[in-house]
Formats: sequence, structure tokens, C-alpha cells
Amino acid sequence: DTAVSQTPKYLVTQMGNDKSIKCEQNLGHDTMYWYKQDSKKFLKIMFSYNNKELIINETVPNRFSPKSPDKAHLNLHINSLELGDSAVYFCASSQAAIYGYTFGSGTRLTVV
Amino acid sequence: KQEVTQIPAALSVPEGENLVLNCSFTDSAIYNLQWFRQDPGKGLTSLLLIQSSQREQTSGRLNASLDKSSGRSTLYIAASQPGDSATYLCAVDSGGSNYKLTFGKGTLLTVNP
Repeated sequence: DTAVSQTPKYLVTQMGNDKSIKCEQNLGHDTMYWYKQDSKKFLKIMFSYNNKELIINETVPNRFSPKSPDKAHLNLHINSLELGDSAVYFCASSQAAIYGYTFGSGTRLTVV
Repeated sequence: KQEVTQIPAALSVPEGENLVLNCSFTDSAIYNLQWFRQDPGKGLTSLLLIQSSQREQTSGRLNASLDKSSGRSTLYIAASQPGDSATYLCAVDSGGSNYKLTFGKGTLLTVNP
């Protein structure tokens, strides 16, 4: 009965590879987000989608491409991975922000 | 551009002590403010959500206040316990056409038995 679930939980990969992180929410929320938590633990928004439409793209390199096949899913595909992409990526969802945001448990990406 | 600051960055207290975590934000035109807890290697757990029209919210031993005009929020934890040890994050939603959370860098709380 997990509200926002992400897979995988851990991802170790080599520089130059392409990888995807999947996110699903069963809360019926209209809006989903990707946040990045860097090595200093600072959380910053990357993207938001509302009903499959891209709403926010916060100056993220175009190697990062979110895809939302339906409003319950928001996947993150990363091309040509770099060392600096190592971080924890969090998926979140909300339904009319008045109710706040629900976060997934995060995906720890390590690029070697 | 909204900026959120949390003070102190780290706090260590003995068990049983009451404590206050501080959060300030630069743009007072916020939609709501949310406090989260993050345990090491874990995700974010929502603690309290305060709408811009509210002054405070309470949940168990936690009480969060909001003074929108001064750009401040506090999280009060009563009778702290070792299990309260975690990083506490303050996040502000400025609303508008693009809802999103702007986070502070967090306060690392250690409660010593």
C-alpha cells in the first residue's frame, strides 16, 4: 500500500551509461515531481508534471528526460551519465498543493 | 526567488529536553509550509503542513508555527526522545502557476539518551 514508490532503490553504474528510474503513485494525485538531493543533502526540484504535461523544468541538463505515460507514473531517464549525477533522486506527488506533498523513499544513484 | 534558511544546522540535546528548530524564508507570499523528517538513508516523512492562512499546527509532541509576515516558522519538539534523532527539513510552497517546494538545508538533530 506504498503511496509513492520508486525503483530501483540503489543504482550503481559507469560513466557514459544510460539509466532509468521509475516512479509510481497510488494516491490519485494529478501532479508528480522529481527532486535531486546532492552530496550536501540539499534538495532541489528538477521537474514537475501535471496530468502528463510538463510544468516545471528547472535548468536541468537535457541528458535528463522525464516521461509520464499516465498521471500515476513519472519516470526519469538519464543519458550519458556523469560523475556529478551521483545523488539521491526523490519522486513526489501532490493533489492541489493545499494538501502538501508525499515523497518516495528515494533512489541512490552512484556513477563510477 | 524564494530562499529558505534553517538554523541551527545541527543540534545536540539530552533526552527529555524541549527544543525549537527555526526556518526563515525570503518571500512571504507563500501558499503553505511543510516540515519533513529524514532519517539517514531514508526518504522524507511529512510531519506537519501549515497553510498560509494558519498560525500553527500540532501533532503529538510536535507544534509548528507560521508567521508569514516576518517570513518565519518554528518547529517545537516537546520532551525529546532518542528516536527523534533525524534531519528536519523545512519546505515552502510559493504557489502561483507552478507549485513546487523550496527546501532549506535542514537541521540535524541528535537526542542523546
